[in-house]
Amino acid sequence: NAGVTQTPKFQVLKTGQSMTLQCAQDMNHNSMYWYRQDPGMGLRLIYYSASEGTTDKGEVPNGYNVSRLNKREFSLRLESAAPSQTSVYFCASSVTGLGDNEQFFGPGTRLTVL
Amino acid sequence: GENVEQHPSTLSVQEGDSAVIKCTYSDSASNYFPWYKQELGKGPQLIIDIRSNVGEKKDQRIAVTLNKTAKHFSLHITETQPEDSAVYFCAASRGRHGSSNTGKLIFGQGTTLQVKP
Repeated sequence: NAGVTQTPKFQVLKTGQSMTLQCAQDMNHNSMYWYRQDPGMGLRLIYYSASEGTTDKGEVPNGYNVSRLNKREFSLRLESAAPSQTSVYFCASSVTGLGDNEQFFGPGTRLTVL
Repeated sequence: GENVEQHPSTLSVQEGDSAVIKCTYSDSASNYFPWYKQELGKGPQLIIDIRSNVGEKKDQRIAVTLNKTAKHFSLHITETQPEDSAVYFCAASRGRHGSSNTGKLIFGQGTTLQVKP
């Protein structure tokens, strides 16, 4: 079991460029999440998908879009990157969307926007 | 909105000493409180959690306490070892009793723990 995998591991973009962060899980989990981690601010939820076919906004959704491609995959898209989106992005999954389920995190994508 | 405050932001202890990290939460409907450990270059990993119907939970050298009245909870690590060095995050959610917030964890700001050999 690979758990939660994310690609790429590192990315440098110029302001205005677009890119998609990929996430996949092989644990047959129903729910998936995208977080960003910034120094001194902990982890903040960008978007989540409680189950296949549904997506909802989290705390900081502006500037992002998501796609729950199937039960395994959940992608995060930056349409026009801004320096404020420089961050480490984590994907996570859990068995269900109930708040007391353990979330399993991927290794992260470190994104720099110049 | 919901908020979780975590203190201290950095903590340095000698190997063998105890470490305590404290969190307070604002949403009185929160009823699930996990703690995650993040090692360098990795994603966070759950180490212990507690539900609001329990005041204390222990797992070997790690314990968590919850004071619902004061809306705060703490992580206690005893007999610290160098491998305990990491960033620790507390979090809170409404667990199974929420509706619109179901599934959402609100994280604290993180505590960088350094255990000196």
